[in-house]
Amino acid sequence: KNEVEQSPQNLTAQEGEFITINCSYSVGISALHWLQQHPGGGIVSLFMLSSGKKKHGRLIATINIQEKHSSLHIPASHPRDSAVYICAVGIEGGSEKLVFGKGTKLTVNP
Amino acid sequence: GAGVSQSPSNKVTEKGKDVELRCDPISGHTALYWYRQSLGQGLEFLIYFQGNSAPDKSGLPSDRFSAERTGGSVSTLTIQRTQQEDSAVYLCASSFFYGKYFTDTQYFGPGTRLTVL
Repeated sequence: KNEVEQSPQNLTAQEGEFITINCSYSVGISALHWLQQHPGGGIVSLFMLSSGKKKHGRLIATINIQEKHSSLHIPASHPRDSAVYICAVGIEGGSEKLVFGKGTKLTVNP
Repeated sequence: GAGVSQSPSNKVTEKGKDVELRCDPISGHTALYWYRQSLGQGLEFLIYFQGNSAPDKSGLPSDRFSAERTGGSVSTLTIQRTQQEDSAVYLCASSFFYGKYFTDTQYFGPGTRLTVL
């Protein structure tokens, strides 16, 4: 079993839909990261969080430490949101290296 | 300011040759990471440098892989006697370091796409 599990693996939505991507992890963490990777493009860090909720533009990320679960919400989705979203965790007491989920490929159709 | 840069952006090599991949981190970032993303696979950690501390090499897949960081800035990842399974995108990231066990936002470079024929 992977230390970081994401769901769904693939998601197709219509423009305007509310999107939720989930991430569960099985280890103690120092922080959880949400990353975005556009096709052919580099990786951008969207959020780093260790508790509660953060907002970045339209995007919202939440984390529940007790349940070892995080969600990334994209309200009013747009075709430009189409990308692979990757959940990653920094292992508690580790060397700050990240352990990654396999990613969720999001396609938002106009 | 400038982000993390990597060179070359693409590298095609023949099986058995050695390759060197370079990473220039953001100025002032003392933490530097190398990751690999193979086709159809997720990202995997390779090696981590922080200041003058001994690097965390726990992710290196074999002794054909090595990395160094000179002067606390530029890093070079070397793959000796390349194999076809080494084909992947090699990503470098850097971050500030505020103290042990504190993970800061990592800034990723554009990656080097390595193809081993």
